[in-house]
Amino acid sequence: EAGVVQSPRYKIIEKKQPVAFWCNPISGHNTLYWYLQNLGQGPELLIRYENEEAVDDSQLPKDRFSAERLKGVDSTLKIQPAELGDSAVYLCASSLEVQATDGELFFGEGSRLTVL
Amino acid sequence: LAKTTQPISMDSYEGQEVNITCSHNNIATNDYITWYQQFPSQGPRFIIQGYKTKVTNEVASLFIPADRKSSTLSLPRVSLSDTAVYYCLVGDPYSGGYQKVTFGTGTKLQVIP
Repeated sequence: EAGVVQSPRYKIIEKKQPVAFWCNPISGHNTLYWYLQNLGQGPELLIRYENEEAVDDSQLPKDRFSAERLKGVDSTLKIQPAELGDSAVYLCASSLEVQATDGELFFGEGSRLTVL
Repeated sequence: LAKTTQPISMDSYEGQEVNITCSHNNIATNDYITWYQQFPSQGPRFIIQGYKTKVTNEVASLFIPADRKSSTLSLPRVSLSDTAVYYCLVGDPYSGGYQKVTFGTGTKLQVIP
């Protein structure tokens, strides 16, 4: 069974440019998460989807970040315009149910963003 | 949300048993304790979850004392491939609280040949 797929794995852009990350969750997983991970830190939740609905986006910087999950499957995270401080790894994860009673989130390998 | 405290780093020789302790003094009645492992350039991977006493799977054991204010992840006979960062999380999976919990800085385990 395929895991969570993210692309691109690496992206280098200049500040003020836009960037987008794509995530394909595990088939059948209706809950999808985007996390931000800075170097040496643990992942921090940006947004959580239940199917196509964003149920928790309280930590998403809405002035420059946006996300969508059309048809409740794939998701895209966008930054426009990017700032130097956005350099980080963006992780996507999915789980079978909103209430992941076994506690298991399945993560992709992440998209590493470098803003110059 | 319960806050967790872990050692920043640990070293161990190959073949030894490694115990990583996590403190969570404010754990709530409905909270579960979950551990993740993360290798460089990869996303975290679920290791084990428990509520009380002891849980064991093919990878690790999780020991939780009666007061549940701490927990210990035990890795038997570590190898070089166990070098990774280990995160302890506390949350209530039934209320969405688990998903809101940040991973913290974790414990960086270095296994030495």
